[in-house]
Amino acid sequence: QVQLQESGPGLVKPSETLSLTCTVSGGSISSYYWSWIRQPPGKGLEWIGYIYYSGSTNYNPSLKSRVTISVDTSKNQFSLKLSSVTAADTAVYYCARITVAGTDWGQGTLVTVSS
Amino acid sequence: NFMLTQPHSVSESPGKTVTISCTRSSGSIASNYVQWYQQRPGSSPTTVIYEDNQRPSGVPDRFSGSIDSSSNSASLTISGLKTEDEADYYCQSYDSSNSWVFGGGTKLTVL
Repeated sequence: QVQLQESGPGLVKPSETLSLTCTVSGGSISSYYWSWIRQPPGKGLEWIGYIYYSGSTNYNPSLKSRVTISVDTSKNQFSLKLSSVTAADTAVYYCARITVAGTDWGQGTLVTVSS
Repeated sequence: NFMLTQPHSVSESPGKTVTISCTRSSGSIASNYVQWYQQRPGSSPTTVIYEDNQRPSGVPDRFSGSIDSSSNSASLTISGLKTEDEADYYCQSYDSSNSWVFGGGTKLTVL
């Protein structure tokens, strides 16, 4: 049973870069697509983007200019960087594994953007 | 791009059947698979339906998915409602660039 665990700072200052890492255990990252999704407090889900283990990516057009998703197969991890953050980027950030039989989600981590 | 529109909330009694709709604003609902996610309060989402009507292992057969080209919508039907089904439900599909599109979510109350 694969497990995904998000990690990173819970507080980021406006205009800075949000950085999160997702550690995959119980399975290899060297297959499947791996995604980041976020959920502002009390609101719905927003897809950020995904990466294939080989490194090819696809980003939400509304965030594309600020997002970078990367993968480190040696550490079984993938990462999210979101630049120039504002209060509107405050959300629970989920990492997820996309398979042919559905999506497996991490538990999520709250990131607050505030000075 | 297109939008997926869901009712804000639905409610039904235990043991009954409820259907949650997800209407695609443009383009055919049949052109890209639809997934459904359940999010219980305080928890992360889980997949209850993938590829329009497939259930992941472990999801009870009380959950079923379908698409209707005439209304350009997908539906999630939950039969034999239990109090544990009370949750937010989100539909999700893909656009022509394989970018994900989520519906706004539906709050299911089982009362």
